Amino acid sequence: AQSVTQLGSHVSVSEGALVLLRCNYSSSVPPYLFWYVQYPNQGLQLLLKYTSAATLVKGINGFEAEFKKSETSFHLTKPSAHMSDAAEYFCAVSRPGTYKYIFGTGTRLKVLA
Amino acid sequence: DTAVSQTPKYLVTQMGNDKSIKCEQNLGHDTMYWYKQDSKKFLKIMFSYNNKELIINETVPNRFSPKSPDKAHLNLHINSLELGDSAVYFCASGSTYEQYFGPGTRLTVT
Repeated sequence: AQSVTQLGSHVSVSEGALVLLRCNYSSSVPPYLFWYVQYPNQGLQLLLKYTSAATLVKGINGFEAEFKKSETSFHLTKPSAHMSDAAEYFCAVSRPGTYKYIFGTGTRLKVLA
Repeated sequence: DTAVSQTPKYLVTQMGNDKSIKCEQNLGHDTMYWYKQDSKKFLKIMFSYNNKELIINETVPNRFSPKSPDKAHLNLHINSLELGDSAVYFCASGSTYEQYFGPGTRLTVT
């Protein structure tokens, strides 16, 4: 069975500070991993994905994530937070070749002026 | 140019009623999904169709019935609505390595 754990349901950072959102996964096979962002009253938007190519993945809006097999982690980072980054972020895992995605419980990012 | 669209965006109804939510995608994907997001933002998969065939059917009450008339459409019909059905329902389309979500339908059962 696959699962993801997002540490910290709420994260606050100052504008211009580093953003670090944590995601750990559990999978019996090498997984595909994803980060999605959800702005208020909107659907989820794909930020980036890891599908067994480069372990450092760059996404939209300056976000990136690194797949670390030894730590079973896929943490999301951004060097400098912007007010517009305030949103809910979801990590997700899937088994390659299948269609089922398992989502984490989400982390709400708050950016302080 | 909307990729995944859902109608209606808001749905307010009384307990016991039957309602439907429609979803359409113009991305050419073979697979479509229905998710339920509860008040705590927890997102859970309900159903998935691939080429009009049901491939994922999670533990969902029989009152929920998906229908896929073609690859571009996946509708969700809910019978005998209950208070606990209040949530945001998201449609998505995609493949084994990516998904694209619709804007969601906020269902409120009173």
